Amino acid sequence: DQQVKQNSPSLSVQEGRISILNCDYTNSMFDYFLWYKKYPAEGPTFLISISSIKDKNEDGRFTVFLNKSAKHLSLHIVPSQPGDSAVYFCAASALYNNNDMRFGAGTRLTVKP
Amino acid sequence: TAGITQAPTSQILAAGRSMTLRCTQDMRHNAMYWYRQDLGLGLRLIHYSNTAGTTGKGEVPDGYSVSRANTDDFPLTLASAVPSQTSVYFCASSAEGHGNQPQHFGDGTRLSIL
Repeated sequence: DQQVKQNSPSLSVQEGRISILNCDYTNSMFDYFLWYKKYPAEGPTFLISISSIKDKNEDGRFTVFLNKSAKHLSLHIVPSQPGDSAVYFCAASALYNNNDMRFGAGTRLTVKP
Repeated sequence: TAGITQAPTSQILAAGRSMTLRCTQDMRHNAMYWYRQDLGLGLRLIHYSNTAGTTGKGEVPDGYSVSRANTDDFPLTLASAVPSQTSVYFCASSAEGHGNQPQHFGDGTRLSIL
């Protein structure tokens, strides 16, 4: 039972364009969402997060949007750079259950020069 | 700064054998976690520890055990390995065991059970 889904296994964009990675969740008790970035042979690294009390959070080139009614969030990267090529994991958690963070299967982003 | 150190980097193990994956952190984080990553499934939590001396079960705990004798170390043991435990294992930590705290990950242990 995958409570967090990333339906696009891969995404390819041109350098300088926008990358949009999508994530859907089913558990309405999730109230905190995170994005992690993973390079080959390394562990995931935290990228950006958003609380359910917000609908947008921005950090430099990275913006996360949350649509609670649709149980959907997205990560926008503008402008995309070749160094952004990695696997991106969406994760969701509920503050009342602090050790049940659920991850999506990941989306492999390739940014072409 | 080392952060999270996992050992070994990779291992091939015969089914039925036991194995302990090591994890050490130098950030003095209270909470630590073990995940397995499988293709198409993302990361799934095996066990966690909110503080030294306590542990809890995650989403997929069967066949695994952990201990947390001190703040820095959180070893994961497979008592009798089975092929379905072939996976990449990641150890992680966070300052506290709250859902809004980003986790810091090690570089993983690739384990193959034959």
